[in-house]
Amino acid sequence: AQTVTQSQPEMSVQEAETVTLSCTYDTSESNYYLFWYKQPPSRQMILVIRQEAYKQQNATENRFSVNFQKAAKSFSLKISDSQLGDTAMYFCALGNTGNQFYFGTGTSLTVIP
Amino acid sequence: GAVVSQHPSWVICKSGTSVKIECRSLDFQATTMFWYRQFPKQSLMLMATSNEGSKATYEQGVEKDKFLINHASLTLSTLTVTSAHPEDSSFYICSARDLTLPSRYEQYFGPGTRLTVT
Repeated sequence: AQTVTQSQPEMSVQEAETVTLSCTYDTSESNYYLFWYKQPPSRQMILVIRQEAYKQQNATENRFSVNFQKAAKSFSLKISDSQLGDTAMYFCALGNTGNQFYFGTGTSLTVIP
Repeated sequence: GAVVSQHPSWVICKSGTSVKIECRSLDFQATTMFWYRQFPKQSLMLMATSNEGSKATYEQGVEKDKFLINHASLTLSTLTVTSAHPEDSSFYICSARDLTLPSRYEQYFGPGTRLTVT
């Protein structure tokens, strides 16, 4: 079975500060990808960052980076220099050789001015 | 690249009528399309998966006669909510995947359709 767990339903961070969102997963597959999606109030799902499981190097995209711990099945998202536009729901997702994505329950992030 | 559109973005219909939602991949061929339902402040719930030219595979608990999915071409899938009732009111999101792309595990999401049944 594939599962994705986000244990932080809500988080807040001061503008310009750094915040880390947690995600753990479980899969028996050897080939898989991990994703963080952002869903702002418009509800459009926006890809923030992706990580290929076979790559040891942590993915980075500007202010967004991940800490991928394959053995621990952990995939946290770090947002640096938080901006008001980062306020959104964040979903961690697992994609594998099958058709499905497995989503976490989401973390609602609020950036406080 | 990899843009997915949905139409309409929001729709209001009367109870007992049917409504069709279109999902299009604009710049790639969607070998597989997915339909999700999302309630406020909750995660996405997969309703069904469809491959072009094949019947959709529905998730457990999803009524296939109520939520008709057609994936007639590599760029278009439709979701028809038949005999809609107020409890069908929700946010519906489609996504698409192209297994020929290097990022074949990635899904590209449409902007969603807000359905309100009165």
